[in-house]
Amino acid sequence: RKEVEQDPGPFNVPEGATVAFNCTYSNSASQSFFWYRQDCRKEPKLLMSVYSSGNEDGRFTAQLNRASQYISLLIRDSKLSDSATYLCVVVKNTGNQFYFGTGTSLTVIP
Amino acid sequence: EAGVAQSPRYKIIEKRQSVAFWCNPISGHATLYWYQQILGQGPKLLIQFQNNGVVDDSQLPKDRFSAERLKGVDSTLKIQPAKLEDSAVYLCASSLAGQVYEQYFGPGTRLTVT
Repeated sequence: RKEVEQDPGPFNVPEGATVAFNCTYSNSASQSFFWYRQDCRKEPKLLMSVYSSGNEDGRFTAQLNRASQYISLLIRDSKLSDSATYLCVVVKNTGNQFYFGTGTSLTVIP
Repeated sequence: EAGVAQSPRYKIIEKRQSVAFWCNPISGHATLYWYQQILGQGPKLLIQFQNNGVVDDSQLPKDRFSAERLKGVDSTLKIQPAKLEDSAVYLCASSLAGQVYEQYFGPGTRLTVT
């Protein structure tokens, strides 16, 4: 079973829409969680951390559900510039092992 | 501040040939990572260095892949011999020691094995 699983999409949404992605993880010992963004043919970049209490940064909200072992990313008022692949990342507390999901592709349509 | 540098950016080789990639991390970053990203997948960690020591190489196919970071700064990743399934982007990333969550990635080397 994969450490991290994501729906690859693609998600095609109109400008201004709200879209949400989920990511499930298999190991309950996982300690830290993050969302990275990867533009087409570019390198991944840290978008935001995911805290147990949730985390909001402008139009982006990240949440963690430890009981169900998933994290989510909500994007409100989508912009064309939000078009990218969103990768969830799970870090296991032993050895700081870093696991990326396969990524969810988002295209925001004018 | 200069980012993570990688070279070459693109490489095309035939199967069974050898190839090497180079990475220079951000100055002061003690931790260096090599990832393999196959098209349509997320990056997969191959090896993680802390200074010049290996922290994790559990997913490195050691029969054909090797990596070194002799002086604790730049690093090379080698594949010998290459297989068709090694076609991927090889990403190098670095982070400050203890800040594994915020990794800075280089532009990657796109390898095509024919």
